[in-house]
Amino acid sequence: DILMTQSPSSLSASVGDRVTITCRASQYISTYLNWYQQKAGKAPKILISGISSLQSGVPSRFSGSESGTDFTLTIASVEPEDVATYYCQQSYSSPFTFGPGTTVDLK
Amino acid sequence: QITLKESGPTLVKPTQTLTLTCTVSGFSLSNSGVGVGWIRQPPGEAPEWLALIYWDDDKRFSTSLKSRLTITKDTSKNQVVLTMTHMDPVDTATYFCVHRQLGAKVRGIITQNWFDPWGQGIQVTVSA
Repeated sequence: DILMTQSPSSLSASVGDRVTITCRASQYISTYLNWYQQKAGKAPKILISGISSLQSGVPSRFSGSESGTDFTLTIASVEPEDVATYYCQQSYSSPFTFGPGTTVDLK
Repeated sequence: QITLKESGPTLVKPTQTLTLTCTVSGFSLSNSGVGVGWIRQPPGEAPEWLALIYWDDDKRFSTSLKSRLTITKDTSKNQVVLTMTHMDPVDTATYFCVHRQLGAKVRGIITQNWFDPWGQGIQVTVSA
């Protein structure tokens, strides 16, 4: 199975801060890396697919990128509504594993 | 508009078999490329992918749970059914039904796929 890791596990940010979340896969996953946002009591929602493709309706302050073996989710300027847990997920091969999540809250 | 809705018991006893039904709308389970899966999420934990069934009846399962899982589809009823045997309290979780979305082809190759949308989820508690 492909193991997905994320760092940090949690972070506190001020409104307007730039936030970066990193995800790493234990094996090659090509472009099959997705990011989901989950707010309290809700189902996860797709933010970014294929490393960097922003889903329709997702604010442009969210972006995804790749650097070597690391994948990154960036929030350019945090807003109060971004308080949530963020998960990466690989869709390269079954089983389609998720990372452990990064919880973002406000200072 | 694609929607999925989970149904089934919210309380099961240890050793029992859990049967969950996902009723879908907005697409056909027989359309080429379609995939519908199940993901669960224990309280305070990350989502855990369980199983996926494709339009051609191909199936994929979680490595650790494969021996306990069955997934089937009924195209005429627009339903996907997941069964999990030998339920244990550690299986207490919210179970989500998900639609697998495919990205556009790039030079003939699909380079993205993701889960969207998700059903609202059904909370299943395993307790005597």
